[in-house]
Amino acid sequence: GAVVSQHPSWVICKSGTSVKIECRSLDFQATTMFWYRQFPKQSLMLMATSNEGSKATYEQGVEKDKFLINHASLTLSTLTVTSAHPEDSSFYICSARDPREGRTDTQYFGPGTRLTVL
Amino acid sequence: GQNIDQPTEMTATEGAIVQINCTYQTSGFNGLFWYQQHAGEAPTFLSYNVLDGLEEKGRFSSFLSRSKGYSYLLLKELQMKDSASYLCALTTGGFKTIFGAGTRLFVKA
Repeated sequence: GAVVSQHPSWVICKSGTSVKIECRSLDFQATTMFWYRQFPKQSLMLMATSNEGSKATYEQGVEKDKFLINHASLTLSTLTVTSAHPEDSSFYICSARDPREGRTDTQYFGPGTRLTVL
Repeated sequence: GQNIDQPTEMTATEGAIVQINCTYQTSGFNGLFWYQQHAGEAPTFLSYNVLDGLEEKGRFSSFLSRSKGYSYLLLKELQMKDSASYLCALTTGGFKTIFGAGTRLFVKA
């Protein structure tokens, strides 16, 4: 299957700083990537859909000015958590759909980024 | 909107069979997925059902009834490494995937 990477794997930052998380499709071009957030013992919550060359589509309740998404190329999407606060501490996971698989909706997940805001 | 229900936790014995149920309500339906997620890791794909019926893949099988809004994941010959969370997920239009809260499976010796 397709491979998706994320960087960094984990990050610790001070409250008020910004953190950028990268999501890359390694062996395919992804026109659409998805960003999820997962709190401990909870399921994945879709934050936004990242579209190459256009603005991201945010889910209800997700602040687009706080969670900046850029999908500048077919293999890279970035999520920037601006002015991070302790309540933003979470596991952030990206996923991508491989368009070579036709109409299947199968998504391939990155390994996740654990963010801790002090 | 969408609503997905699955049990919070289940416990089963090594070597046994366990069935994890998932019921859903949705206004749009493209397919139903099951993912496995170990603690601290990203989900990994297990199965995908678009049509009614049973899909078998090794020790794992998944069933779908669209008219009943019901799916189950069947795990056979349970192994200790199968202890994980199992996520039922729906895809609607635009390839968007909505996840259930997950079922934490504990496999005991």
